[in-house]
Amino acid sequence: KQEVTQIPAALSVPEGENLVLNCSFTDSAIYNLQWFRQDPGKGLTSLLLIQSSQREQTSGRLNASLDKSSGRSTLYIAASQPGDSATYLCAGDSGGGADGLTFGKGTHLIIQP
Amino acid sequence: DTGVSQDPRHKITKRGQNVTFRCDPISEHNRLYWYRQTLGQGPEFLTYFQNEAQLEKSRLLSDRFSAERPKGSFSTLEIQRTEQGDSAMYLCASSLRGSRQGEQYFGPGTRLTVT
Repeated sequence: KQEVTQIPAALSVPEGENLVLNCSFTDSAIYNLQWFRQDPGKGLTSLLLIQSSQREQTSGRLNASLDKSSGRSTLYIAASQPGDSATYLCAGDSGGGADGLTFGKGTHLIIQP
Repeated sequence: DTGVSQDPRHKITKRGQNVTFRCDPISEHNRLYWYRQTLGQGPEFLTYFQNEAQLEKSRLLSDRFSAERPKGSFSTLEIQRTEQGDSAMYLCASSLRGSRQGEQYFGPGTRLTVT
């Protein structure tokens, strides 16, 4: 059974800093790895999808990497802004979309102005 | 707005009542998923449809939970005889097989409070 762990559980940094959020998973037979953002009381916004044949994806100030052999993914946020404050969730898909995502508990991020 | 809509956004019900939630996926998406999220946790997968076929339902939390997608478009999730432990956010997601395969797009959720 796939298990996903996110470290740290919470993070508070001053505006402008670069930061890294970590995600680890137990089953290396992961197909897709997806990073989401969730604002309080809201649904999830997809940030980046890394498909099985890929090792990283970039979108604006965000970069996510996937290392299946070590069971790890990282989300790098450059030049953080107060609007980046949210909970960040990573989720793994072991079935190529033919199964549900397994989520970590998330990292609660606060960017101090 | 991801294009996935859910109704209602909030539901307050008394213990023992039945509730039904609706999800409208992105129109061309053939896969639809239901998740439950409790406070401080990541979403937990419940069930999955491809078109109108329910391909995974073993993860539904009990036999009080059921889901349908009768014409392969919108879906409903029903909880019978609600309990206080059912209070949670219920999330729906959709995806399109074959295009950025497996990327799931989530709706805003239905927050259920059982009193």
